[in-house]
Amino acid sequence: DAKTTQPNSMESNEEEPVHLPCNHSTISGTDYIHWYRQLPSQGPEYVIHGLTSNVNNRMASLAIAEDRKSSTLILHRATLRDAAVYYCILRNYRDDKIIFGKGTRLHILP
Amino acid sequence: EADIYQTPRYLVIGTGKKITLECSQTMGHDKMYWYQQDPGMELHLIHYSYGVNSTEKGDLSSESTVSRIRTEHFPLTLESARPSHTSQYLCASSEFRQGNEKLFFGSGTQLSVL
Repeated sequence: DAKTTQPNSMESNEEEPVHLPCNHSTISGTDYIHWYRQLPSQGPEYVIHGLTSNVNNRMASLAIAEDRKSSTLILHRATLRDAAVYYCILRNYRDDKIIFGKGTRLHILP
Repeated sequence: EADIYQTPRYLVIGTGKKITLECSQTMGHDKMYWYQQDPGMELHLIHYSYGVNSTEKGDLSSESTVSRIRTEHFPLTLESARPSHTSQYLCASSEFRQGNEKLFFGSGTQLSVL
């Protein structure tokens, strides 16, 4: 199965941009890159996903490296409510199982 | 936005009791999943289903069982609860497409077995 690698934790100041990295060196051509986040005491929620091109939505932006071996989730202006565990996962049509790694625990400093 | 519901939200029960955790979704999704998560730890897939009458075991061995008699309903059962089953159980669903479909999670059931 394709794997992702993320830092265990990161810190950022409130109202500053946050760049959360993810490495996926064994990604295949049909793998989509998905990001989810899990707020305290809640189930994970979808943030964004992409295949090759950079993507933007109301929550975040996703920057995908040209070789697709890494990606970065960008929160443009972090708030205290963005403190969560962020998961980067790979998905394709062959997925029987959807496996989450340990993710990155993001701390926001006021 | 998410139309996936788990009940109960919290459950405290004695050892040896039979319990069923409920999960329902109103989005007509074919694929459904159960994850187990201990505090501060990663999610572990314990069961999943492609659709009605389909159930598969996940990566983490679990003494629980699941059933999928209706598309919208994916209950998880523990025949005899033990303290080692204390954990959070999260249910999720998605469409069955090409890999770009979103996963929707419920709020989870926090199970404590005394």
